[in-house]
Amino acid sequence: AQKITQTQPGMFVQEKEAVTLDCTYDTSDQSYGLFWYKQPSSGEMIFLIYQGSYDEQNATEGRYSLNFQKARKSANLVISASQLGDSAMYFCAMREGGWTGNQFYFGTGTSLTVIP
Amino acid sequence: NAGVTQTPKFRILKIGQSMTLQCTQDMNHNYMYWYRQDPGMGLKLIYYSVGAGITDKGEVPNGYNVSRSTTEDFPLRLELAAPSQTSVYFCASTLSSPETGNYGYTFGSGTRLTVV
Repeated sequence: AQKITQTQPGMFVQEKEAVTLDCTYDTSDQSYGLFWYKQPSSGEMIFLIYQGSYDEQNATEGRYSLNFQKARKSANLVISASQLGDSAMYFCAMREGGWTGNQFYFGTGTSLTVIP
Repeated sequence: NAGVTQTPKFRILKIGQSMTLQCTQDMNHNYMYWYRQDPGMGLKLIYYSVGAGITDKGEVPNGYNVSRSTTEDFPLRLELAAPSQTSVYFCASTLSSPETGNYGYTFGSGTRLTVV
């Protein structure tokens, strides 16, 4: 089974609108972390936001928020007030507890295009 | 405050040539990783290291070798380059103590390799 599933290969959003990028995960660990990374066309991987499995509040970082629904094992990224510079590839990732070095899993990504 | 530094940024190799992709981090991270990203795809783990002198294979290790003689450096060696190794290569690092806080990856800026 896939550890991280991103079901939206491509998304479009109007500038200044909000958009939700979906991510579901699969783990039997109680302790884990969830991450979102942005990859613009220039290619670098930029960390956006982190949510720990024990965090009771949804994480927020500026215009980014993570809608964490533990029972559903979902960690959707919400981008508010989209900007043209938000056009990029977005990757969801998970780091499991019991860390021995290689339990960091990436989804296949969602390509977001912001329309003027 | 350099973070993770990868060199070179671009390289074209002929089939059968060899090269080393360099990766250095100055954050005293003990875990380091090499990923490849094929066009339009997610990240695949090539090799990782949990500390100096310790390396292990990831998902796609064939055709590559690594070494970790110091905490800072984690070079990736390509022997007998093949067109299938045309990809973007990312080095990343993280800490080994994930119990609290954000312990995601710090990525290098990537190396775009073309084998012709």
